[in-house]
Amino acid sequence: AQSVTQPDIHITVSEGASLELRCNYSYGATPYLFWYVQSPGQGLQLLLKYFSGDTLVQGIKGFEAEFKRSQSSFNLRKPSVHWSDAAEYFCAVGSGGGNKLTFGTGTQLKVEL
Amino acid sequence: GAVVSQHPSRVICKSGTSVKIECRSLDFQATTMFWYRQFPKQSLMLMATSNEGSKATYEQGVEKDKFLINHASLTLSTLTVTSAHPEDSSFYICSVGTDRADTQYFGPGTRLTVL
Repeated sequence: AQSVTQPDIHITVSEGASLELRCNYSYGATPYLFWYVQSPGQGLQLLLKYFSGDTLVQGIKGFEAEFKRSQSSFNLRKPSVHWSDAAEYFCAVGSGGGNKLTFGTGTQLKVEL
Repeated sequence: GAVVSQHPSRVICKSGTSVKIECRSLDFQATTMFWYRQFPKQSLMLMATSNEGSKATYEQGVEKDKFLINHASLTLSTLTVTSAHPEDSSFYICSVGTDRADTQYFGPGTRLTVL
């Protein structure tokens, strides 16, 4: 069965600092991998996704993620965090063509001004 | 992307009552919708896949008689929590599937509190 681990429950960074959110997955085949952001009162918004091709994926809002098969990881990065990035971030792996999603437990990002 | 709404955004009910949550796809004809639940500080768990005009497919461990799903049109799916109990208190989220299997659009969620 597929699974996703986000080892960091909470992360606090200063505005302008770089950010890396960790995600490790377990899946038998080539995975569909996703990063979503959840803000209060809003639905999950897709930041980026990977299922083939270039292992460095660019997303919205200046985020990027790198797929590393050898490490079973798909870490999310941003070079300079903005206060508006404070939210909860979920990594997910998809099966069944990508639409059956298994989510990690999320990482709550706090941005200090 | 598709705009997805949920109603109500919050609901409080007494134990033993039933609660209906609506999920609407405002600008997209959704043949497939998904229902998730999210416990505090935990991940989203897929409950069921809702297909327009047919019976929903439930994930293992989800009671289909307790969580009734109806997807009668291409823009509306409903989740009814029957005989709700405090342990059903959770955040329920729907999403709309698209013709791209790897793309879903999520609603804002419904916070259910059962007293």
